[in-house]
Amino acid sequence: EPEVTQTPSHQVTQMGQEVILRCVPISNHLYFYWYRQILGQKVEFLVSFYNNEISEKSEIFDDQFSVERPDGSNFTLKIRSTKLEDSAMYFCASSVGTSGSREQYFGPGTRLTVT
Amino acid sequence: EDQVTQSPEALRLQEGESSSLNCSYTVSGLRGLFWYRQDPGKGPEFLFTLYSAGEEKEKERLKATLTKKESFLHITAPKPEDSATYLCAVQDRYGGSQGNLIFGKGTKLSVKP
Repeated sequence: EPEVTQTPSHQVTQMGQEVILRCVPISNHLYFYWYRQILGQKVEFLVSFYNNEISEKSEIFDDQFSVERPDGSNFTLKIRSTKLEDSAMYFCASSVGTSGSREQYFGPGTRLTVT
Repeated sequence: EDQVTQSPEALRLQEGESSSLNCSYTVSGLRGLFWYRQDPGKGPEFLFTLYSAGEEKEKERLKATLTKKESFLHITAPKPEDSATYLCAVQDRYGGSQGNLIFGKGTKLSVKP
């Protein structure tokens, strides 16, 4: 069964460093998302991506964040200068489309720890 | 503002003891309501999508129902392997153009043998 994959599973970085989180969405999906979950809190939307551009972003997704689809399979989230409060689980998700099957399938997540 | 509230926050059941989880939502217009299961340290696993009031979906011991203001996840004769956090999420028809999910905090279910 196709699944969303994410690497690395755990990333430790120092405050102020840049990190790139990687995702491979399900191959026939067209819409891609990043969410985050701070420990003990709810899953929060960051950004959605379709047709090689950002469709929507939340207030969390400020100028320190960027997303890219560098090739036909990968989808990345970059944090330019990490802060302590960026420590969280980051989930990538993908869906076929929003008009038909709207369910989003999530990857296993990347645990980001900023020290 | 779109909101999703789940109750209870935690639920402990004995194996075989049926119960229900509640998800109350407030949206401008519901595009879809989703149930996910999340195991510790893992990503949410898709369970059900419900689109309109009166709709029901079933999968093994789980049954999801939807009204205009809330959804229930009924668990019949649960087993220890059903222990997980169950998340409810909605898509607002008039909110995000690409259907971002708005999640509740979840209900942590523990089923004891």
